[in-house]
Amino acid sequence: DIVMTQSPDSLAVSLGERATINCKSSQSILKSSSNKNHLAWYQQKPGQPPKVLISWASTRESGVPDRFTGSGSGTDFTLTINSLQAEDVAGYYCHQYYSDPFTFGPGTKVDI
Amino acid sequence: EIQLVESGGGLVQPGGSLRLSCVVSGLTFSDYWMHWVRQVPGKGLVWVSRIKTDGSFTSYADSVKGRFTISRDNAKNTLYLQMNNLRAEDTAVYYCAVEKWYPDLWGRGTLVTVSS
Repeated sequence: DIVMTQSPDSLAVSLGERATINCKSSQSILKSSSNKNHLAWYQQKPGQPPKVLISWASTRESGVPDRFTGSGSGTDFTLTINSLQAEDVAGYYCHQYYSDPFTFGPGTKVDI
Repeated sequence: EIQLVESGGGLVQPGGSLRLSCVVSGLTFSDYWMHWVRQVPGKGLVWVSRIKTDGSFTSYADSVKGRFTISRDNAKNTLYLQMNNLRAEDTAVYYCAVEKWYPDLWGRGTLVTVSS
């Protein structure tokens, strides 16, 4: 099974500053046939189900503000939130959909 | 509007069974793979299981393999999760989700509590 790890567990960022979350997979999740990384980033606010922010490691979902950026390839990935807003306070999870069983990272809590 | 509504959660004793349901509307249910994901309140997301459009392929997390069974009824637009031999560590909110390569559209979840 592919194990996903994230760092840090939590971070506090001032409004308008940048938050950086790292995610690492225990094996490459880059599919050579498509040259796509099978990695998604989710945001979850208290009392709500998760929402997809980024798919294919770097493709922003429709309606997601451009301050959210995904990057990385192979086994190392990053979610960057530029100019943090109050509404970005949430838990953030990476997720691999490269192979069964699918797995999530343990999550990163972002606070102001 | 696409809606996913989970039901069937509740309090069950260790060793007991429960069947969760997820009714999907607003899309052609039979066209989509479906997932179950769970979350202990205040903790992280844990992927549980997924099922192919016609039910011919299923996959499970190691922690539930042999105890949980995912199934679907495309005529009723409904996804199921049969949970047997429940343990305290199965206590969680259970979400169903529609797959778009990855879990994309989610319900609001149903709480399962395993306790004596």
